[in-house]
Amino acid sequence: GENVEQHPSTLSVQEGDSAVIKCTYSDSASNYFPWYKQELGKRPQLIIDIRSNVGEKKDQRIAVTLNKTAKHFSLHITETQPEDSAVYFCAASPSGNQFYFGTGTSLTVIP
Amino acid sequence: GAVVSQHPSWVICKSGTSVKIECRSLDFQATTMFWYRQFPKQSLMLMATSNEGSKATYEQGVEKDKFLINHASLTLSTLTVTSAHPEDSSFYICSAGATSLFNTGELFFGEGSRLTVL
Repeated sequence: GENVEQHPSTLSVQEGDSAVIKCTYSDSASNYFPWYKQELGKRPQLIIDIRSNVGEKKDQRIAVTLNKTAKHFSLHITETQPEDSAVYFCAASPSGNQFYFGTGTSLTVIP
Repeated sequence: GAVVSQHPSWVICKSGTSVKIECRSLDFQATTMFWYRQFPKQSLMLMATSNEGSKATYEQGVEKDKFLINHASLTLSTLTVTSAHPEDSSFYICSAGATSLFNTGELFFGEGSRLTVL
């Protein structure tokens, strides 16, 4: 089955700096890669996603890149703000009924 | 986006009792629902996948007799923690999808239920 690895597990950045979180996956059949943000005690919220037919997607300060050949995808947050502090999860989905999550990255943005 | 509601959001129970957690899709029919367990500062651990009208598929290491899952309708799945013990204390989250929504690929999460077993 699919195996998703996520790095780093914790990340601290100064406000205004960029943050990058990387994930790798193993199943070449995976074709959908969402990223979720989870604040303490709350539900994960989808923040951006990318499909395998696209190499990059951007939404304001958030961008995701996908390298199908290398089987890795990354989340990029620019101009970080304290409210970006949360746990971020990547996921890979080979089909609509299967989602495999990374281990999460705890991001702290220092004011 | 679609709405998934989970209830209760927090429950405290005595050791040995059973607790039922509900997961409802409010504005779409969820043919598939997933149940996760999450420890503090850790990732979502998939416990089981339930499909409406059939038995749930449990992940390796998850006791099916301990964590009973029922997906009796297209809008409701329940997780019952039977004979709960302190080690069952955790944050339980459900997510739901439907064939039509899976065309977009998005997974919708409930608010989560925090279980504390005394």
